[in-house]
Amino acid sequence: KQEVTQIPAALSVPEGENLVLNCSFTDSAIYNLQWFRQDPGKGLTSLLLIQSSQREQTSGRLNASLDKSSGRSTLYIAASQPGDSATYLCAVLMDSNYQLIWGAGTKLIIKP
Amino acid sequence: DAGVTQSPTHLIKTRGQQVTLRCSPKSGHDTVSWYQQALGQGPQFIFQYYEEEERQRGNFPDRFSGHQFPNYSSELNVNALLLGDSALYLCASSLGYPPQPQHFGDGTRLSIL
Repeated sequence: KQEVTQIPAALSVPEGENLVLNCSFTDSAIYNLQWFRQDPGKGLTSLLLIQSSQREQTSGRLNASLDKSSGRSTLYIAASQPGDSATYLCAVLMDSNYQLIWGAGTKLIIKP
Repeated sequence: DAGVTQSPTHLIKTRGQQVTLRCSPKSGHDTVSWYQQALGQGPQFIFQYYEEEERQRGNFPDRFSGHQFPNYSSELNVNALLLGDSALYLCASSLGYPPQPQHFGDGTRLSIL
């Protein structure tokens, strides 16, 4: 059974810092991995999608990497801003049944 | 270009009642997936519809059922509501199968009293 873990559960950093969020998964038979952002009481916004054959994806100040063999992904946020404050979730789409399995998220607070 | 829309936004029910939640997919999308997100947790997959058929189902009891209409919109029905059904219910749409990438609505907040 696939398990997705995100560490840390919460993170508070001053504005301007670079930071890394971690995601690990137990079953490497994935189709892709996605990073999402969720603002309080809201739905999910897709940030980056990495196909299983890819190593990384970049969008603006965000960079996500994928090491499928070791079951790890990282989301790197450069020059953090208060507007980056949100919960960040990673999810893997399983090869076997195309179900999206989620981590519990990292709650990020960027202090002005 | 309308994104994924869900209705209602909020809903309050009592134990034992039944509820229907609705989802309109993003224009051009034909696959709809439903998720339950309890407070402070990641979403849990409920089921997924493509071509008006349930293609995949997560570990949810039969009290949870759904439907996809010819216009690709979808409903989630929950019978015999329990306190533990209180959650944010999210709908996601995508084009084709496998369902990726998935685009999410803002969800329906269901509270059971």
